Amino acid sequence: AQSVAQPEDQVNVAEGNPLTVKCTYSVSGNPYLFWYVQYPNRGLQFLLKYITGDNLVKGSYGFEAEFNKSQTSFHLKKPSALVSDSALYFCAVRDPAYSGNTPLVFGKGTRLSVIA
Amino acid sequence: DAGVIQSPRHEVTEMGQEVTLRCKPISGHDYLFWYRQTMMRGLELLIYFNNNVPIDDSGMPEDRFSAKMPNASFSTLKIQPSEPRDSAVYFCASSWDRAGGELFFGEGSRLTVL
Repeated sequence: AQSVAQPEDQVNVAEGNPLTVKCTYSVSGNPYLFWYVQYPNRGLQFLLKYITGDNLVKGSYGFEAEFNKSQTSFHLKKPSALVSDSALYFCAVRDPAYSGNTPLVFGKGTRLSVIA
Repeated sequence: DAGVIQSPRHEVTEMGQEVTLRCKPISGHDYLFWYRQTMMRGLELLIYFNNNVPIDDSGMPEDRFSAKMPNASFSTLKIQPSEPRDSAVYFCASSWDRAGGELFFGEGSRLTVL
């Protein structure tokens, strides 16, 4: 069964510093990986995804993520954090071994707090 | 496109009452998903549809929960009777029929059962 782990409930970073939000996954084959962001009282917004190809994926709002197959990780990164990046971040996985558009399995989420 | 539209945004009801949550997916999307979000359990998949047909409802907590999709532009999630432990934010999401496709989420319906 596919699963995702986000080992940190909370990440604190100073504005202007680089940020990393960690994610590891478990699937039977090559994964499809996603990152979403949720602002207070809002729905989840898509940030980026890895399907195939270049291991470094660039997404919205200056975020990027690196797929590492040997470590089964897909960490979210940003070179310089903004206070407005403070939100709840979710990593998600889909196992393409299943046909069709099966649901995403989400991690528990990591709350990012960027301090001015 | 207006995105995924959910209603109501907030619902406060008393235990035992029937609750109906509504969702309009993005036009042209083949898949519709209902998720529930709580502090304790995070995001849980309740049920999903493909071309209006329920594919997997194994996440529906119990018989008090039911979901329908009578046409491509409308789905409902019903709880009858509601209980305090049903209090959560319920999200609807839709996507195209391709394995690498991302989900598009609505703003959610926050349910409080007193």
